[in-house]
Amino acid sequence: QKEVEQNSGPLSVPEGAIASLNCTYSDRGSQSFFWYRQYSGKSPELIMFIYSNGDKEDGRFTAQLNKASQYVSLLIRDSQPSDSATYLCAVTNNRDDKIIFGKGTRLHILP
Amino acid sequence: GAVVSQHPSRVICKSGTSVKIECRSLDFQATTMFWYRQFPKQSLMLMATSNEGSKATYEQGVEKDKFLINHASLTLSTLTVTSAHPEDSSFYICSANRRRGTTGELFFGEGSRLTVL
Repeated sequence: QKEVEQNSGPLSVPEGAIASLNCTYSDRGSQSFFWYRQYSGKSPELIMFIYSNGDKEDGRFTAQLNKASQYVSLLIRDSQPSDSATYLCAVTNNRDDKIIFGKGTRLHILP
Repeated sequence: GAVVSQHPSRVICKSGTSVKIECRSLDFQATTMFWYRQFPKQSLMLMATSNEGSKATYEQGVEKDKFLINHASLTLSTLTVTSAHPEDSSFYICSANRRRGTTGELFFGEGSRLTVL
């Protein structure tokens, strides 16, 4: 059973602090890793994707991938109230384009 | 702007009627599109993989005769919920993979909220 695991939260972080979201996956054949943000009642939107081990930075967001540990994380620096949403970790093996989602972590930024 | 467009965004129908939802890739061709369903406070559940020019592949537990998928062109997939019932009320979301070489980015449509009375 291929799985993607996330802590459901809610994760409460003070405004301006760093929010750290974690995700583990079970399929060692996974090759592409994505973080999506979903506001209530809206469709998910892509924030970051990462394919190689290490860190990838884009503005206030940093994705971290460790394939040996089957672990991917998302850091949000200088958290803003508008960052409050559910963050979905997603993984694909690039063989069949099928993407497996975690259940999501609810993030709440405290003003 | 949006790269995957979904229509309608909201639909209310009576029990027993059929509803069609369209998903279009706007600036790329998608041989494969995916249909998800999401109930309130739940994660995305993959229903089926829509394949251009061939039959859709359904996930376990999804009735193919109830959720008809047609992928007639490289930019359009449709999901028809046949004889809808209140338990089919949900948020239906499509996605398509925009490939760049050997990698791809999965983009979602805006979603369609179906309410069956």
